[in-house]
Amino acid sequence: GQQLNQSPQSMFIQEGEDVSMNCTSSSIFNTWLWYKQDPGEGPVLLIALYKAGELTSNGRLTAQFGITRKDSFLNISASIPSDVGIYFCAGPRVDTGGTSYGKLTFGQGTILTVHP
Amino acid sequence: DGGITQSPKYLFRKEGQNVTLSCEQNLNHDAMYWYRQDPGQGLRLIYYSQIVNDFQKGDIAEGYSVSREKKESFPLTVTSAQKNPTAFYLCASRLGGGALGGTQYFGPGTRLLVL
Repeated sequence: GQQLNQSPQSMFIQEGEDVSMNCTSSSIFNTWLWYKQDPGEGPVLLIALYKAGELTSNGRLTAQFGITRKDSFLNISASIPSDVGIYFCAGPRVDTGGTSYGKLTFGQGTILTVHP
Repeated sequence: DGGITQSPKYLFRKEGQNVTLSCEQNLNHDAMYWYRQDPGQGLRLIYYSQIVNDFQKGDIAEGYSVSREKKESFPLTVTSAQKNPTAFYLCASRLGGGALGGTQYFGPGTRLLVL
């Protein structure tokens, strides 16, 4: 089935540093989603990518939809303590019949720790 | 304010007991989903529902049951058949069930612990 592999699994950085994480798959995805989860809370959508090669920003966050449709990257510039959390990539599954019903496949997450 | 609410925030289950987790949304979304999250893992799909009175099993449905009697409500029951229920449970909703139905929005989660 479709699987997403995120790397790195965890990151420990100093406040002010830039962060880069990625998500890869052996299957093609037509949409890439990046979520952030604060401790004890539900994931919140950060960025949605719908087109191969697309580069989209949301404040200090920038995400790219890989040209092969098998990967995506998320960058955070000038990190701050509130960036702490787990970052997930996700993409809609496609069943054998070609429909997804909105079901998502999630990566295992990248845990980000920011030291003041 | 529009959003998804889950209750309770923490739930304790005794051995052999069934417990029900609540999920309510006032976003007028058609589709709703239940996920389970274990430490160090991504979210795994338990059940999903595209419309009222209809739902399908996800990847790990064994030991769980759901109902969808109202558009805004999608409760999840963790039955005694679920041998390892301790986890963080997340409910999500989406405007439509098809490919153009938009992205999923998540509730705050319920943490289930076994006594």
